[in-house]
Amino acid sequence: DIQMTQSPSLLSASVGDRVTLSCKASQNIYKYLNWYQQKLGEAPKLLIYYTNSLQTGIPSRFSGSGSGTDFTLTISSLQPEDVATYYCYQYNSGPTFGSGTKLEIK
Amino acid sequence: EVQLVESGGGLVQPGRSLKLSCLASGFTFSNYGMNWIRQAPGKGLEWVASISSSSSYIYYADTVKGRFTISRDNAKNTLYLQMTSLRSEDTALYYCARQGALDYWGQGVMVTVSS
Repeated sequence: DIQMTQSPSLLSASVGDRVTLSCKASQNIYKYLNWYQQKLGEAPKLLIYYTNSLQTGIPSRFSGSGSGTDFTLTISSLQPEDVATYYCYQYNSGPTFGSGTKLEIK
Repeated sequence: EVQLVESGGGLVQPGRSLKLSCLASGFTFSNYGMNWIRQAPGKGLEWVASISSSSSYIYYADTVKGRFTISRDNAKNTLYLQMTSLRSEDTALYYCARQGALDYWGQGVMVTVSS
């Protein structure tokens, strides 16, 4: 099974900060990686698909990059409504989620 | 508007069975693969099972293989998850989600396995 490791598990940042979340795969997943945002009490929402494609309706401050085993989700200017847990998800083989990064406002 | 509405959850004793449903609307259900994902209370997301648009391809997580069965009825726009031999560790909020990208999710249905 492919293991997905997200870091950090908890991130505290200020409004307006540039924020970077990391996701590492235990083996090559090419670009078959998505990012999801889950706010408290809500279902997850797709932000980024196939590593760097922005889902319709998602603000352009969200972007994704990477390939192979190392991937990044970047929020260019953190907003209060971005408080959530963020999950990466690989669908190259035997789909698996990362354990999540909880993002808070400092 | 794409909508996915899960139902069928509840409290069940260990070893018993339960069948979840996910009613889809707002898109051509028969054109899309579907998935079940679950989230134990306070925990992360776990992919459970996938089924292709015509039911030709079906996959399960090792944790549920042999106990859970995913199926669909394209005429009724409905996805199912038959769960048998339930264990306490199956307690979770169960979501259905569309296609490999998991681009749309339902709101989830709670399954609690407890005596």
